[in-house]
Amino acid sequence: GQQVMQIPQYQHVQEGEDFTTYCNSSTTLSNIQWYKQRPGGHPVFLIQLVKSGEVKKQKRLTFQFGEAKKNSSLHITATQTTDVGTYFCAGSIFGGSNYKLTFGKGTLLTVNP
Amino acid sequence: DGGITQSPKYLFRKEGQNVTLSCEQNLNHDAMYWYRQDPGQGLRLIYYSQIVNDFQKGDIAEGYSVSREKKESFPLTVTSAQKNPTAFYLCASREEPYNSPLHFGNGTRLTVT
Repeated sequence: GQQVMQIPQYQHVQEGEDFTTYCNSSTTLSNIQWYKQRPGGHPVFLIQLVKSGEVKKQKRLTFQFGEAKKNSSLHITATQTTDVGTYFCAGSIFGGSNYKLTFGKGTLLTVNP
Repeated sequence: DGGITQSPKYLFRKEGQNVTLSCEQNLNHDAMYWYRQDPGQGLRLIYYSQIVNDFQKGDIAEGYSVSREKKESFPLTVTSAQKNPTAFYLCASREEPYNSPLHFGNGTRLTVT
């Protein structure tokens, strides 16, 4: 089946340091979404990328979609303790069921104040 | 307030028993999903439904069953055939178009002993 790989699995940073998580698919994606799950909570939608090479920003968060639409990244500048949580990418395979969304395993971010 | 309600939050069952997890949404969304979350495994798709009276298997459907008799309801039954049922179960829904964000419920943590 479709594989969406996400690295690293864990990342611990000092407050103020930057953080990046990477997502790679074995097949071309129609679009990719990013979610954040706080400890003990449920995933919450952050953003969606649709176009090849697309870059979107939300304050300190920068999201990129690769030219081949097979990879994506989330970069957080100057992390804060409020950034703690697990970040997931989720993609829909191009040419497959558009309703089926496959998640990566997520990157757990912890921030030391 | 519109949203997705999963109940109960915690559920305990003995091995060999079937158990049904409830998921109700009042967002008027057509598509609904069930995901299973295990530590370090991300979210894995069990079943999804694009419309009433129709549903498709996800990546790990064995040992599970669903029904979609009403637009607002998508219950999941964990059968005794599921070998490792203890997990955190998340229900989600999304509106048209197909690439809109997923809205998640708060989840049900099932423990089978």
